[in-house]
Amino acid sequence: ILNVEQSPQSLHVQEGDSTNFTCSFPSSNFYALHWYRWETAKSPEALFVMTLNGDEKKKGRISATLNTKEGYSYLYIKGSQPEDSATYLCARDTGNQFYFGTGTSLTVIP
Amino acid sequence: SQTIHQWPATLVQPVGSPLSLECTVEGTSNPNLYWYRQAAGRGLQLLFYSVGIGQISSEVPQNLSASRPQDRQFILSSKKLLLSDSGFYLCAWSVGDTQYFGPGTRLTVL
Repeated sequence: ILNVEQSPQSLHVQEGDSTNFTCSFPSSNFYALHWYRWETAKSPEALFVMTLNGDEKKKGRISATLNTKEGYSYLYIKGSQPEDSATYLCARDTGNQFYFGTGTSLTVIP
Repeated sequence: SQTIHQWPATLVQPVGSPLSLECTVEGTSNPNLYWYRQAAGRGLQLLFYSVGIGQISSEVPQNLSASRPQDRQFILSSKKLLLSDSGFYLCAWSVGDTQYFGPGTRLTVL
């Protein structure tokens, strides 16, 4: 993998469903992996910073895992709510630069 | 607490016209500052970053330039805009691992 890739590109789920999406990144020159939530008409909001292989972070109903050896991170949302609707961005941090994926657009249907 | 300001929020400019976007940060000293652009259907792309006054690193060759005349001020400029300069421009700051984003400027070049 040369670039940061996120899948799926977009996702529609029913309120109450749990969901997850993937961020894949080159495992070389790795310093940290960042997750952001970007709501329409707002600026991206930092969710998690993860640095160690096997890291797991949790904030409320949202959690994330990190595998630096194989170059992927998962973001999980448990019991999705309409206010979770946003684009979720991941960024590979080399210590010098952030390289962003194109994001996963999540729509939670009431 | 720290805040970051960007202006204008939206801008419509003709091809060939000049550009000046301003970003200021409050509540922190000597931050790293960044300019990103999101073109339609693409991820956030780093354009410039600065680690101090007068220190600018350019990541992508283009007709844009950046300047940092003061510690907490970052300006993005162009002498002649191209159609391909249309996009959403985000300024960000960091002191440490996480980057914090401003509200952004939507630029449309006609």
